[in-house]
Amino acid sequence: AQKITQTQPGMFVQEKEAVTLDCTYDTSDPSYGLFWYKQPSSGEMIFLIYQGSYDQQNATEGRYSLNFQKARKSANLVISASQLGDSAMYFCAMRDLSSGNTGKLIFGQGTTLQVKP
Amino acid sequence: EAGVAQSPRYKIIEKRQSVAFWCNPISGHATLYWYQQILGQGPKLLIQFQNNGVVDDSQLPKDRFSAERLKGVDSTLKIQPAKLEDSAVYLCASSLVPQPPMETQYFGPGTRLLVL
Repeated sequence: AQKITQTQPGMFVQEKEAVTLDCTYDTSDPSYGLFWYKQPSSGEMIFLIYQGSYDQQNATEGRYSLNFQKARKSANLVISASQLGDSAMYFCAMRDLSSGNTGKLIFGQGTTLQVKP
Repeated sequence: EAGVAQSPRYKIIEKRQSVAFWCNPISGHATLYWYQQILGQGPKLLIQFQNNGVVDDSQLPKDRFSAERLKGVDSTLKIQPAKLEDSAVYLCASSLVPQPPMETQYFGPGTRLLVL
């Protein structure tokens, strides 16, 4: 079965510094997608970045980048120049293809990030 | 472009009562998802619709939960009767077309349900 593991329940980072949020995954499918979402206290899940299993380069979106290490099955999120507004829960998710093209996302447990001024 | 709309935002009920949640996806999005997020956990898919047909409802507790998307646009999720363990945030998401693995799902603000 596919699984996402986020081992850091909580992280602190100083404003303007970079932070890495860890994510490892387990799948036997050769084709899969990895996503990161941000969930502020308001509750809405905000899409941040996507990495496909066949992508040759690491994905980047503004201050977000994904450190994709396929052999190690890790997809860590790097946030550069942290801002106070980055304080939120962050979820790593994987597209489940084991049951066909249903599109179901498998989420990790999440990491709470707090940015200190 | 308007995002995914959900209502109500908050609901408090007593166990054994019924409750319904509403979701309006992003215009033109054919695929709609309902997720349940229990406090401290990641969301878990309850049901997926493609237009007005059910694609995946394998994790929906069908003895008490039901969902419909009659005209292929907005959707309702119902719980009848509610149990204490149903206390959670119910998130609705939509996507343009299912093109795994790269299709991006966009989420609404969620409905926070508390069952007393």
